[in-house]
Amino acid sequence: DGGITQSPKYLFRKEGQNVTLSCEQNLNHDAMYWYRQDPGQGLRLIYYSQIVNDFQKGDIAEGYSVSREKKESFPLTVTSAQKNPTAFYLCASSPTSREAFLETQYFGPGTRLLVL
Amino acid sequence: AQKVTQAQTEISVVEKEDVTLDCVYETRDTTYYLFWYKQPPSGELVFLIRRNSFDEQNEISGRYSWNFQKSTSSFNFTITASQVVDSAVYFCALSSPDTGRRALTFGSGTRLQVQP
Repeated sequence: DGGITQSPKYLFRKEGQNVTLSCEQNLNHDAMYWYRQDPGQGLRLIYYSQIVNDFQKGDIAEGYSVSREKKESFPLTVTSAQKNPTAFYLCASSPTSREAFLETQYFGPGTRLLVL
Repeated sequence: AQKVTQAQTEISVVEKEDVTLDCVYETRDTTYYLFWYKQPPSGELVFLIRRNSFDEQNEISGRYSWNFQKSTSSFNFTITASQVVDSAVYFCALSSPDTGRRALTFGSGTRLQVQP
């Protein structure tokens, strides 16, 4: 089945530790995104990538890092510099097209990060 | 800057009632795209609809209908004859790919509870 997978479903971080959230898609989409969701709030953009080996900061990139070495994969690292990492993290992907109205983002099941 | 406002934090209805979820947006772009997503308790965002700014036709899909009015910058979502399975958080979102904002700007969401 085509889709977006995120792992793990739950992740626990200790103080001062870096952790990496996985996002994989087999939809052959060029663009991938990471969003953060806090309780009772909408999603906010952390990072996005329109193409392999290129990515851009979103609205709340501080304390996070990403890589895009393969089209299918867009891992997110939550570094120790992120002082309030407890949140629900959602990965999305979309095709990119000369016809921008064709670009709809589809989301993975999410990873819930908790601080011990 | 773009902004999406969902003023209704939580709505509770009894099964078979009709319910409308409001969405008001702000953008300076002339071309933009509006979306509705459903987030069930599992957490994954499910795409419902995309509407382009140059197409003000309302849309109906089964029990779901959407009313897009550029004059009031609103993109409201109505569920007819609500069912318990409609219980979820619903997000309205906005993007402007033509001016570089491919990522989604989300509202804070409306939690819909449908009581049996």
